[in-house]
Amino acid sequence: ELKVEQNPLFLSMQEGKNYTIYCNYSTTSDRLYWYRQDPGKSLESLFVLLSNGAVKQEGRLMASLDTKARLSTLHITAAVHDLSATYFCAVDIYTDKLIFGTGTRLQVFP
Amino acid sequence: DVKVTQSSRYLVKRTGEKVFLECVQDMDHENMFWYRQDPGLGLRLIYFSYDVKMKEKGDIPEGYSVSREKKERFSLILESASTNQTSMYLCASPPRREGYNEQFFGPGTRLTVL
Repeated sequence: ELKVEQNPLFLSMQEGKNYTIYCNYSTTSDRLYWYRQDPGKSLESLFVLLSNGAVKQEGRLMASLDTKARLSTLHITAAVHDLSATYFCAVDIYTDKLIFGTGTRLQVFP
Repeated sequence: DVKVTQSSRYLVKRTGEKVFLECVQDMDHENMFWYRQDPGLGLRLIYFSYDVKMKEKGDIPEGYSVSREKKERFSLILESASTNQTSMYLCASPPRREGYNEQFFGPGTRLTVL
């Protein structure tokens, strides 16, 4: 069974701190996407990772992909309140479908 | 800019009613998807479509049907709504791009079945 597991599922962190969200998947893929979802809203595309070793950065967020380990990470640097949201990874399995992780709910407090 | 729209943001229906959720994309995409999202369960694929009049079941198609008569419009139909279909429904569509399949989502429809 194809599985995409994120951890942690919930993350409460103080402003200014660093942390990493992990996305492990159980099938071969070198295409992975990260999305952000604000409460009550839809999913917004954050990063597209298309090869082993791919790294993308936007502001305080940096995503990377290790296809050999079947692992993607989303690193948060010096968190701010505006980053509070739920983050999803999604693995592309080459059938036009995506397999989504369960999401990581991030809460940043002062 | 890719634009995916959904007909309603919020919808309240009664048990047994027939419910139509509409999704429209304006970029001539071939593929369109319907998901539902529930707390603790993530996104689950209900149905998807590769082209006009073509449809494929996703992981949880029971209780739902779909219609795609025109390329830009993909409708999700609840034949007889039940309370366990109360959920957030998300439509998504990926642009035609070589080598990857990033999906863009509509704003979502929060459906409550009483």
